[in-house]
Amino acid sequence: DTGVSQNPRHKITKRGQNVTFRCDPISEHNRLYWYRQTLGQGPEFLTYFQNEAQLEKSRLLSDRFSAERPKGSFSTLEIQRTEQGDSAMYLCASSFRTDFYNEQFFGPGTRLTVL
Amino acid sequence: AQSVSQHNHHVILSEAASLELGCNYSYGGTVNLFWYVQYPGQHLQLLLKYFSGDPLVKGIKGFEAEFIKSKFSFNLRKPSVQWSDTAEYFCAVTGSYSGGGADGLTFGKGTHLIIQP
Repeated sequence: DTGVSQNPRHKITKRGQNVTFRCDPISEHNRLYWYRQTLGQGPEFLTYFQNEAQLEKSRLLSDRFSAERPKGSFSTLEIQRTEQGDSAMYLCASSFRTDFYNEQFFGPGTRLTVL
Repeated sequence: AQSVSQHNHHVILSEAASLELGCNYSYGGTVNLFWYVQYPGQHLQLLLKYFSGDPLVKGIKGFEAEFIKSKFSFNLRKPSVQWSDTAEYFCAVTGSYSGGGADGLTFGKGTHLIIQP
């Protein structure tokens, strides 16, 4: 399968714990995006990378959230001191960005439940 | 800031009925427009996209959408729906040009479509 993959698919944690998610993009894609989706809502943009550089962060991304893409391939999203409000589906997408189009391909997501 | 508005949050249709889901966007520059679909238990899949050229775009599974620039709209249509079209549909927009800012997709809240057999 050459699509975007995410691990784990489900994560249950207790409030206050740290969690880390991984995203492996489509191999030739230069951009990688993180989104969050809560029940009944569309995905909300969190941050994106071009290669290893983090170019934009949404105001939704609090100081407890950090994302990395150390070698321009896979990316990790860490949430420190989780809160119940962090419970959501975390989606990763990748694209090969040109000056004219930006078609993003989504992974299956990691569903986080904070107890 | 860009925004997307989907007018219908829940739509129930019978099989073979025609479908039109409304989408309006707000964005100051040239846009890329998308419709994504999320079938129950599955991840987001691209239905169709508009980058430039012919404003009537055709996607998978018989769906099409029309970009009307003057109305900032990108409505999704299908002439005859099937039970298997039951899903959540999201309209999304992003800026057309590379560069800083506005590169993430902005999604609408989605339309939950139920097709009754």
